Amino acid sequence: AQSVTQPDIHITVSEGASLELRCNYSYGATPYLFWYVQSPGQGLQLLLKYFSGDTLVQGIKGFEAEFKRSQSSFNLRKPSVHWSDAAEYFCAVKSNYQLIWGAGTKLIIKP
Amino acid sequence: NAGVTQTPKFRILKIGQSMTLQCTQDMNHNYMYWYRQDPGMGLKLIYYSVGAGITDKGEVPNGYNVSRSTTEDFPLRLELAAPSQTSVYFCASSSPSGTSGRRNTGELFFGEGSRLTVL
Repeated sequence: AQSVTQPDIHITVSEGASLELRCNYSYGATPYLFWYVQSPGQGLQLLLKYFSGDTLVQGIKGFEAEFKRSQSSFNLRKPSVHWSDAAEYFCAVKSNYQLIWGAGTKLIIKP
Repeated sequence: NAGVTQTPKFRILKIGQSMTLQCTQDMNHNYMYWYRQDPGMGLKLIYYSVGAGITDKGEVPNGYNVSRSTTEDFPLRLELAAPSQTSVYFCASSSPSGTSGRRNTGELFFGEGSRLTVL
């Protein structure tokens, strides 16, 4: 069965430091992969997506993610985080009509 | 650009009461979804619809019902509210193939959520 694992429940980084959020998926075919962000009390906003082609995809707010088929991973990165990046981040993979979601990683920013 | 609109944003129910969460989208999307999100948890799919007149159960359908009489609207009904249904509910939509000739990518567009408390 398809699944998405986000191994880190929460991550704390200092403002200005680099960030990497991990996502591993289990899917038989070429996956469609997504990262969404949820700010406190808000809905979910698409950060970026991967369907095919270049394995390094750029998203909004300075985020990028790299698809690594050999590792079944789609990790999210940002070179320098800002206090406004504090939020919960969800990775997802498309499966038929649905998205299979990871449990999310809460990002905490230290001043 | 309204996108996906949910109402109400907040609601408190007593055990046993019923209510309907409304969801409407103006993007002409065929696919619509209802999720619930419990504190510290990810999203769990309640019901989804691939078009008007077609609905199907998701992961956690018990205690809920849906209907899809039009492309735009996908209401979620709670018949006998229970404390276990205290949650934040999100409606979402996505577009199938045919829009600009592109395949369905699965990208979801979300409403802002409805926070429901059952006491």
